[in-house]
Amino acid sequence: ETGVTQSPTHLIKTRGQQVTLRCSSQSGHNTVSWYQQALGQGPQFIFQYYREEENGRGNFPPRFSGLQFPNYSSELNVNALELDDSALYLCASSLALAGYQETQYFGPGTRLLVL
Amino acid sequence: GNSVTQMEGPVTLSEEAFLTINCTYTATGYPSLFWYVQYPGEGLQLLLKATKADDKGSNKGFEATYRKETTSFHLEKGSVQVSDSAVYFCALSVISTTGNQFYFGTGTSLTVIP
Repeated sequence: ETGVTQSPTHLIKTRGQQVTLRCSSQSGHNTVSWYQQALGQGPQFIFQYYREEENGRGNFPPRFSGLQFPNYSSELNVNALELDDSALYLCASSLALAGYQETQYFGPGTRLLVL
Repeated sequence: GNSVTQMEGPVTLSEEAFLTINCTYTATGYPSLFWYVQYPGEGLQLLLKATKADDKGSNKGFEATYRKETTSFHLEKGSVQVSDSAVYFCALSVISTTGNQFYFGTGTSLTVIP
């Protein structure tokens, strides 16, 4: 069973640029959630995708957007990067059945630095 | 609104000491509650969970009971080991009209010394 993988592991961008982060969900999972974790803080929920549709969103501006593909992998896109976007971005996958969501399994994260 | 407040760290204990990490929450509706752990150099992993009031989650000697009357989900372990050194996060999930929402506390760093 393959776990949750994320790419890239690290990247550096400059303010105003755009970035795309990728996540491959664990085999058999149909739901992906994205989180932002600043240094020394807990993860903050960005949004969740279920069957290619957004299924919940945290308090993040529209420049944070996402996609989920038919194979349940996902992308997080951030436009017009700001310095405060520097953080570890975590992806978590889970299996949702009949409105009940099973345990989330987290990937190792992508560390983004915005200069 | 929804939020999680957990005991600030860092916490340092001697091996075999009793551990309590406090966690309280505010939530609309009926949340599920979780404890996640992050060992040094590793990703977040679920430690235990409880999905309704009075449920007790347990794993690896850790326990937490979902107390609706006190809106709490405190993590306890009777005898900690050096290998329990990690950062612990309390979290909740709720289902809203717009989908699922997840909230994490700020984390409590635990160091267990021999």
